[in-house]
Amino acid sequence: DGGITQSPKYLFRKEGQNVTLSCEQNLNHDAMYWYRQDPGQGLRLIYYSQIVNDFQKGDIAEGYSVSREKKESFPLTVTSAQKNPTAFYLCASSIFAGNTEAFFGQGTRLTVV
Amino acid sequence: AQSVTQLDSHVSVSEGTPVLLRCNYSSSYSPSLFWYVQHPNKGLQLLLKYTSAATLVKGINGFEAEFKKSETSFHLTKPSAHMSDAAEYFCVVSVAGGSYIPTFGRGTSLIVHP
Repeated sequence: DGGITQSPKYLFRKEGQNVTLSCEQNLNHDAMYWYRQDPGQGLRLIYYSQIVNDFQKGDIAEGYSVSREKKESFPLTVTSAQKNPTAFYLCASSIFAGNTEAFFGQGTRLTVV
Repeated sequence: AQSVTQLDSHVSVSEGTPVLLRCNYSSSYSPSLFWYVQHPNKGLQLLLKYTSAATLVKGINGFEAEFKKSETSFHLTKPSAHMSDAAEYFCVVSVAGGSYIPTFGRGTSLIVHP
């Protein structure tokens, strides 16, 4: 089945530790996105990529990093510089065009312990 | 830049009564508009989309939305709420001038009472 797979579903991070969230899609989509979700704030864009080996900062990129070495993969690293990382993280992908919807993974819940 | 305003953070209805979730958008370009639903700790599922064809759009689970350019609105409706409709709903805009990046509203939590 085609879709987007995020792993792990739950992740715990210690203070000062970097963690990486995985996002893989088999939809052959060019564009991929990472969003952060906090209660009452909707989804805020962290990073996006529209082609392989290229990515752009979103609205809240500080403390995060990404790579896009393969079309199907867009991992997100939450670095120790991100002071408030506890949140629900959603990965999405889409065809790079205006009239097509984004498809979402099931999310990763990150908690700082 | 484009933006989306969902006018209600929470909407409470009784089962069997109509649902109205309000969304206004701002964009300098012709928008594509979407409604998504999210159940707790889950990803987002597309309910319906507007892409410059018919202004009244029908989606899954009995939902529909009407694009009104003059009012810059894209409100979501359903004639009769079901308990399973209780969830978070997001209005989303995508425009060419914004590199087609989906821009989200803050969400509306739909509460359905028995």
